[in-house]
Amino acid sequence: DAGVIQSPRHEVTEMGQEVTLRCKPISGHDYLFWYRQTMMRGLELLIYFNNNVPIDDSGMPEDRFSAKMPNASFSTLKIQPSEPRDSAVYFCATTPPGTANTEAFFGQGTRLTVV
Amino acid sequence: GENVEQHPSTLSVQEGDSAVIKCTYSDSASNYFPWYKQELGKRPQLIIDIRSNVGEKKDQRIAVTLNKTAKHFSLHITETQPEDSAVYFCAASRGNFNKFYFGSGTKLNVKP
Repeated sequence: DAGVIQSPRHEVTEMGQEVTLRCKPISGHDYLFWYRQTMMRGLELLIYFNNNVPIDDSGMPEDRFSAKMPNASFSTLKIQPSEPRDSAVYFCATTPPGTANTEAFFGQGTRLTVV
Repeated sequence: GENVEQHPSTLSVQEGDSAVIKCTYSDSASNYFPWYKQELGKRPQLIIDIRSNVGEKKDQRIAVTLNKTAKHFSLHITETQPEDSAVYFCAASRGNFNKFYFGSGTKLNVKP
């Protein structure tokens, strides 16, 4: 398995534009997490899914952020409209089924720059 | 919710010395404590973890200790090497939902 795959790796966009980040989890993993990493706030959990269902979105900063998981092999995080303070590295991570409290496998991240 | 605090934020040691990073957590129900290493520009990767029924775990040069009563856990790296230079994150989670709360990270610099 190639691991968790995120795209794009880098995204530069203008303020006000819509941004969509994509994640392909490891096959068979049933938990999927979206994290945002900044120097000031570290790794923040934005939202997570279990079996494609959103479980907790309390970390989503504003209504401008939304996430979906239409099937077990794909998730998106959308920011509309984007703002410069959204600039960060966004990580997707997944965990395997059947065992609670186990290793989270991270994707390579998407570095988002909003100018 | 859970609150994980991590210290120090930066740590510089000479090659061969030991490094210790400490974390505290607030939720007494937390029962799983992983440590992740993130090299510059890379993804975080698990290096060691400990569960609440264990007080200490060791894997070669790295070890983690857990004090449930005091609600703190620590990462110990012995005989540090330049390739240990990275940002280290502690985390805590509980229950069946794999929801991890991360510390703010420690940037470790091992000087050759």
